[in-house]
This record gives sequence, C-alpha cells and structure tokens, in this order.
Amino acid sequence: DTAVSQTPKYLVTQMGNDKSIKCEQNLGHDTMYWYKQDSKKFLKIMFSYNNKELIINETVPNRFSPKSPDKAHLNLHINSLELGDSAVYFCASSRFTSGGAGETQYFGPGTRLLVL
Amino acid sequence: DQQVKQNSPSLSVQEGRISILNCDYTNSMFDYFLWYKKYPAEGPTFLISISSIKDKNEDGRFTVFLNKSAKHLSLHIVPSQPGDSAVYFCAASDLSGTYKYIFGTGTRLKVLA
Repeated sequence: DTAVSQTPKYLVTQMGNDKSIKCEQNLGHDTMYWYKQDSKKFLKIMFSYNNKELIINETVPNRFSPKSPDKAHLNLHINSLELGDSAVYFCASSRFTSGGAGETQYFGPGTRLLVL
Repeated sequence: DQQVKQNSPSLSVQEGRISILNCDYTNSMFDYFLWYKKYPAEGPTFLISISSIKDKNEDGRFTVFLNKSAKHLSLHIVPSQPGDSAVYFCAASDLSGTYKYIFGTGTRLKVLA
C-alpha cells in the first residue's frame, strides 16, 4: 500500500502550458509539503499545508499554486511553464505536533517534469 | 546561502567496512537533524534523526553523531552492505514551529561487493 503517491510520474510538456501534479497520502497525516529538486540536486521546500491551510510559502513564483481539497490531498498547479521549471517535484506528508518540526516527513516517489 | 552542506558528492566503500557520511550546517538555530536515504526513481526515505540535546543516536547499523560546537553531523553505517548504495541527504530544522527542513545536496554512497 503506497503511503504517499504522486501522479503523474513523468510529465513532458511545452513551454507556456499549464499542468497539474497530484499528491495523495493515506497515512492520516495533517501536514503535506511540496519540494523541488533541481538539476543541482538541491531539495528545497516550496509549500506546506496543515489541515488544508497554507503554513509555509517559500519564495516561489506565483505561477505555482498549491491546492488542498482535503488533508489527504495536496495538488500543485503550474501556469505558463518555463524551461527553468524542469525538475523533480516531491510531495511529502507528516504528522502535526504543537511542538513544531521534529516529525518525520514521508516522501512520494517524485514527478519528473521536463519543459521543452 | 546554503545552510546545510554535504561536501562529498560521492563515496565508495568496501562491503563490510564502515561508511562515514558528513554534513555541516551554518545556522546555530538548527536543533533537529535527520538523514534520508534515496534510491533512484524513488522519494527519500527517513533513516535516522537526532535532536540537539543528544550527541549520538543509534539504530541498528546506523549511528548519527552530532557535534554542536563544530556544527557538524555524521552518519556511520557499520557494516556497510551493497543494499546501502544510495544517495544520502542530511536535513536540519529548528523546532520553533516552522516545519521546514533544509536539505543538503546529498552524498552518493556506493558499497562495493
């Protein structure tokens, strides 16, 4: 049983297109994240949602819009795709504690986005 | 500004020997650290963590050491096995409620049979 799943696994698209990546977790976690791993292998957080509420929003172009319909899902929509958006995008989830961080984050398998 | 650094992009070790992976950080507010392991075409998976109140945490063949004064942590794998061949990421966070982990760029470990 896959704990954190992402679709699609691969995405090849033209510049200027709009695309979405979906993420679902069946771990009962309250917090979900999107990370981007660029060509230099930096794994950098983009967004985090807790119970459908945005709690982390890094300096990400507003072409990227996360949407959380419920706490088990966090989708990432990207408008007007650019060449520099090519990367691997990882979704993750964790429990939420009042103490803040310190919870293990569980990652999905990644979505490899290539913008031509 | 890269707050978490893994200066060795790759490491090769003979099976049965010790693997030592290093990680340095610059932010003195970091007080929780994790190691993740990543196989090709998969997401990172949690391996071991340590909070700043400890200087060592052990889980089977894996031990993480934390040197707060040097802002340095290391992951020891003893004995190394071919199945340990993967990319290892260290990550750091401060426990002030940000939920944000800062990851290093990873070290590719190859365990030779």
